[in-house]
Amino acid sequence: NAGVTQTPKFQVLKTGQSMTLQCAQDMNHNSMYWYRQDPGMGLRLIYYSASEGTTDKGEVPNGYNVSRLNKREFSLRLESAAPSQTSVYFCASSEAPAANQSPQYFGPGTRLTVL
Amino acid sequence: DAKTTQPNSMESNEEEPVHLPCNHSTISGTDYIHWYRQLPSQGPEYVIHGLTSNVNNRMASLAIAEDRKSSTLILHRATLRDAAVYYCILRDVGGGTSYGKLTFGQGTILTVHP
Repeated sequence: NAGVTQTPKFQVLKTGQSMTLQCAQDMNHNSMYWYRQDPGMGLRLIYYSASEGTTDKGEVPNGYNVSRLNKREFSLRLESAAPSQTSVYFCASSEAPAANQSPQYFGPGTRLTVL
Repeated sequence: DAKTTQPNSMESNEEEPVHLPCNHSTISGTDYIHWYRQLPSQGPEYVIHGLTSNVNNRMASLAIAEDRKSSTLILHRATLRDAAVYYCILRDVGGGTSYGKLTFGQGTILTVHP
């Protein structure tokens, strides 16, 4: 049981380049989330998917798009990377739809630098 | 969203109990109290959650004040592996735009001395 996996672990981009961060979970969870964490700060929610086929904006969605490919996978796309998107990105999943109190399980993170 | 207030940092010695406080004076009746921790260079990890009653699990205990305006996470015997940032989070029961999301604050940095 791998839990929540994220690829890549590290990435360096130039301003204006695009990339997709991949996330997969093997716990048969319904809900998935993308957060970003900037140095010395707590996590901020970018997008979430309460169930397969649905996605919704979180606190800081500008500059990002997401795809819930199937129940297991939830990807985050940066269409035109900017230095302000330099951050550590965490994917998470939880068993029940987001309105429940189910714990969220987090992946190891992707460290992204935009030059 | 109701806010939480935690000390910026705390220190403990190994094998001693640790009490991590959290104030949430504007908590609503439908807010659950969740605790997560984040070890260095890792993603956050769920610790425990509760609504009104004290809760215990294999990792920790959660003591909730009778008026629910504060809570304390208790690590019964701190180990070096418990050194982490601990986040106290109020999580709405759900519905509408809040939809049970987690809102992370600054947390408490716990240092454990050998």
